[in-house]
Amino acid sequence: GNSVTQMEGPVTLSEEAFLTINCTYTATGYPSLFWYVQYPGEGLQLLLKATKADDKGSNKGFEATYRKETTSFHLEKGSVQVSDSAVYFCALILHSGNTGKLIFGQGTTLQVKP
Amino acid sequence: DAGVTQSPTHLIKTRGQQVTLRCSPKSGHDTVSWYQQALGQGPQFIFQYYEEEERQRGNFPDRFSGHQFPNYSSELNVNALLLGDSALYLCASSLEGRYNSPLHFGNGTRLTVT
Repeated sequence: GNSVTQMEGPVTLSEEAFLTINCTYTATGYPSLFWYVQYPGEGLQLLLKATKADDKGSNKGFEATYRKETTSFHLEKGSVQVSDSAVYFCALILHSGNTGKLIFGQGTTLQVKP
Repeated sequence: DAGVTQSPTHLIKTRGQQVTLRCSPKSGHDTVSWYQQALGQGPQFIFQYYEEEERQRGNFPDRFSGHQFPNYSSELNVNALLLGDSALYLCASSLEGRYNSPLHFGNGTRLTVT
């Protein structure tokens, strides 16, 4: 089946530290990959995406590279801020499907301390 | 430009009761998807509506049903509520035919079943 696995949290970092959140996937087709972020009390916001192998998605200092050979899409940021504290979700959608059916990982909570 | 709006924001129901949640999609969007997010978990796809019909369905029982109206807004109905239905229910909208376009999520309805 199709699934997404993320590293367990919470991840606690000091401000300006380097961030990596691991994400691996299993897919029967050829997926597009996404990172969503959820701030407390809010819905999900798209952070970045990649639609084919070796694509790099980037936004707000966050980056992730679509690695087909390792079926991974790890999220990185060089210097985190307190405002980055949130829950991060890795997700995939199959090209053979339509827009709606995202498959999410379980989420990773990031806490950044000043 | 209004994003996805959901109502109500919070709801408390008793086991066995029925509940209706509402969603208005982002302006210009014609497809609505519903997700259930249990505490500490990633969102799970319930179903998707397009042209007033259910087009895809996740692994949820028939107690979960929905509707889409001509103005693209949507309702999610849950009958015979169980304690395990307590969750954040997220609505997401998108534009048909653009499978790589991102979903836009609302802030959700927090349902508590007692």
